Amino acid sequence: GQQLNQSPQSMFTQEGEDVSMNCTSSSIFNTWLWYKQDPGEGPVLLIALYKAGELTSNGRLTAQFGITRKDSFLNISASIPSDVGIYFCAGGTSYGKLTFGQGTILTVHP
Amino acid sequence: GAGVSQSPSNKVTEKGKDVELRCDPISGHTALYWYRQRLGQGLEFLIYFQGNSAPDKSGLPSDRFSAERTGESVSTLTIQRTQQEDSAVYLCASSRDRGGYTFGSGTRLTVV
Repeated sequence: GQQLNQSPQSMFTQEGEDVSMNCTSSSIFNTWLWYKQDPGEGPVLLIALYKAGELTSNGRLTAQFGITRKDSFLNISASIPSDVGIYFCAGGTSYGKLTFGQGTILTVHP
Repeated sequence: GAGVSQSPSNKVTEKGKDVELRCDPISGHTALYWYRQRLGQGLEFLIYFQGNSAPDKSGLPSDRFSAERTGESVSTLTIQRTQQEDSAVYLCASSRDRGGYTFGSGTRLTVV
């Protein structure tokens, strides 16, 4: 089946620094989504991408849908302590089921 | 409602017992999904309902797992003869279009 490779698995950063994470796939997706999950909660949608090459921002977050349709990255600028959590990428071939990456655990040191 | 509601939020059950998990999707969302998340892991697709179409059950791990949905409303996920490896958070999500899912907070199932 389809698999997403998300990296890094975990990262530590200082408050104010920019961070970046990415997902790659051996399969083509026509939708890429990025979610954040806080402890004890379900994932919350951060950014949705629908077109190859699309670059979308949501506040301090920027994500891009790779031209090959097989990858996406998420950047967080000027990280703050509340950015701590687990970030998941997800790829979709329709608005049916999504395939999720394994997550990136982000820790921000004040 | 305003969000996806799942109940119970926590469930502890004895091995071999059946459990039923409930999901109330956002009103008007035609699609409903169940995912399983083991501790420290990503989300594992279980089943997908879209309107009145036949559900996509390709992610159900065994015949002990089943799910139902009536129309575009509530869904229940049933696990029969629970095993310890069934312990996980079961997440429900709904969507109206390809704008991405809205997840509930999940049901944390512990099988002892």
